Amino acid sequence: AQRVTQPEKLLSVFKGAPVELKCNYSYSGSPELFWYVQYSRQRLQLLLRHISRESIKGFTADLNKGETSFHLKKPFAQEEDSAMYYCALTRTGANSKLTFGKGITLSVRP
Amino acid sequence: SQTIHQWPATLVQPVGSPLSLECTVEGTSNPNLYWYRQAAGRGLQLLFYSVGIGQISSEVPQNLSASRPQDRQFILSSKKLLLSDSGFYLCAWSVQDYLGELFFGEGSRLTVL
Repeated sequence: AQRVTQPEKLLSVFKGAPVELKCNYSYSGSPELFWYVQYSRQRLQLLLRHISRESIKGFTADLNKGETSFHLKKPFAQEEDSAMYYCALTRTGANSKLTFGKGITLSVRP
Repeated sequence: SQTIHQWPATLVQPVGSPLSLECTVEGTSNPNLYWYRQAAGRGLQLLFYSVGIGQISSEVPQNLSASRPQDRQFILSSKKLLLSDSGFYLCAWSVQDYLGELFFGEGSRLTVL
């Protein structure tokens, strides 16, 4: 079975501080990992995926298979980063299901 | 471009009453369709998914059911609502070859009294 663990419910930082949102997963096969974000009064949307190896809005996430982690990081938080963040996992292949973690609320204070 | 609509946005229903939440997708064909429930502290729970008309997979036993009468229509139903059915329901779609990107609707807030 695939499982995603986000150990913290809330992270509050000041503007300009570094941010790390933790995500650990358990899956016996070859996983694909994602981060989704939901800003206030907006739809839940994809932020980034590990296979793209890209930086979106200053956020990056590296898949660490040894530690089974996919932490989301940003060196300098901005107020507009305040949102709910979900880590998600699926297996490779067609018609796969996406399993989400419980999510974490990021609050960036001025 | 593709769009997804779900309605109603807000619903207040008494215990024991029926439920019907609708979701439609435009601008694509043969999508995968999903119903999730979003609850504070419990994250996003996959309730049902469908890879084609009439094909429904249920992820958790519950008081709800889903149907896909048309290619781009997905309906979440209940014959008799329970208090525990209260929550925020999200419909989503993805392309068939699925690279993990789901496109979500705006959600439906259900309150059962």
